[in-house]
Amino acid sequence: AQKITQTQPGMFVQEKEAVTLDCTYDTSDPSYGLFWYKQPSSGEMIFLIYQGSYDQQNATEGRYSLNFQKARKSANLVISASQLGDSAMYFCAMREGGNYKLSFGAGTTVTVRA
Amino acid sequence: NAGVTQTPKFQVLKTGQSMTLQCAQDMNHEYMSWYRQDPGMGLRLIHYSVGAGITDQGEVPNGYNVSRSTTEDFPLRLLSAAPSQTSVYFCASSYSGRLQETQYFGPGTRLLVL
Repeated sequence: AQKITQTQPGMFVQEKEAVTLDCTYDTSDPSYGLFWYKQPSSGEMIFLIYQGSYDQQNATEGRYSLNFQKARKSANLVISASQLGDSAMYFCAMREGGNYKLSFGAGTTVTVRA
Repeated sequence: NAGVTQTPKFQVLKTGQSMTLQCAQDMNHEYMSWYRQDPGMGLRLIHYSVGAGITDQGEVPNGYNVSRSTTEDFPLRLLSAAPSQTSVYFCASSYSGRLQETQYFGPGTRLLVL
């Protein structure tokens, strides 16, 4: 079964606007971590933000914030004030408990328009 | 620090050939892993290592071998290349296996098997 689901293959956003990327996950482990990575066209994977299952507050890192809804098993990434450099593929990923493996979603391509 | 480095950047192989993808990190990270990225599927874990001399299988280990003789290096060997192994390969490392520890990715190796 798919552990991470990203339902939006591609999105367009106007420069300076906010965009929300959806991510739902499936786990029965009470201890897990959720990660978002950015992959620009150059190909490297860049870590953006982390949310732990026991964290009380939603994670924030600069213009990135995570809308964590535990009961709904969703961990949506919000990018505020989009910039042209935000155009990239974005991946949601999860680690469960003591398992080192990162399970990735299929990704969402974001294109920022000027 | 150079971070995580991978060589080569790009390789073309014929079916049945063998080769080694190199990965090195200079951050004294204990944990290292190999992922492959295929279109529409995100990244999938091939093998990982929790320290020198210790390796374990990931989600898609068939057709690949690894060894970890030093902390710095974690080569991935393709024993007999097949067209299904055409992919982009990423090496990643992290300092520990703590849940919130992010994995740092190398730039990737693009492999084409004819």
